[in-house]
This record gives sequence, structure tokens and C-alpha cells, in this order.
Amino acid sequence: TQLLEQSPQFLSIQEGENLTVYCNSSSVFSSLQWYRQEPGEGPVLLVTVVTGGEVKKLKRLTFQFGDARKDSSLHITAAQPGDTGLYLCAGADAGGTSYGKLTFGQGTILTVHP
Amino acid sequence: GAGVSQSPSNKVTEKGKDVELRCDPISGHTALYWYRQSLGQGLEFLIYFQGNSAPDKSGLPSDRFSAERTGGSVSTLTIQRTQQEDSAVYLCASSPQGAGVAGGTQYFGPGTRLTVL
Repeated sequence: TQLLEQSPQFLSIQEGENLTVYCNSSSVFSSLQWYRQEPGEGPVLLVTVVTGGEVKKLKRLTFQFGDARKDSSLHITAAQPGDTGLYLCAGADAGGTSYGKLTFGQGTILTVHP
Repeated sequence: GAGVSQSPSNKVTEKGKDVELRCDPISGHTALYWYRQSLGQGLEFLIYFQGNSAPDKSGLPSDRFSAERTGGSVSTLTIQRTQQEDSAVYLCASSPQGAGVAGGTQYFGPGTRLTVL
């Protein structure tokens, strides 16, 4: 069974601060996705990283996939109250079953105070 | 076009009752997934449908849980003899990619919040 350990579970910061969320596993994933979810809604895909060592930027968000494709990080620069939400990482199975079944981390609840 | 829709948005039921949750995927999407999410937590995979293939039921927590997908479109998740530990948000997602495409983009519905009293 593949597991994704996501940390921290909770993050409460002031507007303008930087933060990093980590997603770690002992398993290799073919790709890793990051989602953001707001209350009462389903998760929305932010990014997919596929290649080991890949770095993708989405405005103030920087996503990195580990060289061994076992871990990933999300870094937010100068956080804003609008960044508040639940952030989820999800890994796609690298071995055999390649239909897009995702293993989700436990999520990080981010609160950015004005 | 319309996104994934789910109904009802909220369901309150008594322990021991059966419930049915509905998912309407995005038109043309061949893959459909059901997940369960406890408050503020990650998603737990339940079941996956791909076209006319046999569904992957490996995530269903017990035989009280079952799901169908009629005509390759609408899906219904049924929970029989509900228990309090079944209380959670049940999310449905669909994807345009077929089997063999790892990490395909999944589009989620808003979920059904189930409360078992």
C-alpha cells in the first residue's frame, strides 16, 4: 500500500509570510499532483509534476518533485488571505496500474491572517 | 460546459438506514471515481469505473458499500445499514483519460455531506 505523508497538518501564518508544505513517501510515483480545496467544494487541481527534479511555478506558488519521485514540496511566497484552504498532494501509481488511481496525503489546512 | 454534479449536497440519516448518493460526471469522461473525506482530511479512494470494464472496488471499506454506473455516465453509491462511522463527505470525480494514462486530471464534484445519527 502506498502512503503519502503530508506535513504540516496545520499552518497558521500572517499575510506576507512564506511557507512550505511537504509530501513524502517511501514509494515511487509516476506523477504527483497538488490540489487546493475550499470549504463545501471539491478539490481543484493546481499542478501535476511528472519528471524527477521538476520545478513548476504558478504565480507565487512553486512546486517541486523530488529526484527519486518519492517526495514533493509546495512553497508559497508572500502568502495572502486568499491562499487560505486545504492543500492536498496526490501521487499516481508508478507500478503497473496506470489508470490514474491517486493516493492522497492527509492534507494541510492553511490559514493566512490579514 | 457543466462540471461534475452530485446530489444531494447534504444527507442526514439514522443509523441502520440505507442511502444513495448520485454523481453526474462531465459528459464524455470515461473514468469515474468515488472518494470519502473525513473533516479536513485527505481523500480515501473507494471505487473506480472505466468504460465497460469491471470496476476497481478495492477501496470499498465493507460489503455495505456498493456502486453502479449506468450507461457509462451517472453513478450511484449505495451505503446499506449506515453506521455513524460512515459520516463523511463523499466526493465523485471524473476524468477524460482512459486506462493507461497515469495521473490523469480528475475533476471533482462538490461532494455529498453524509451525517449518520
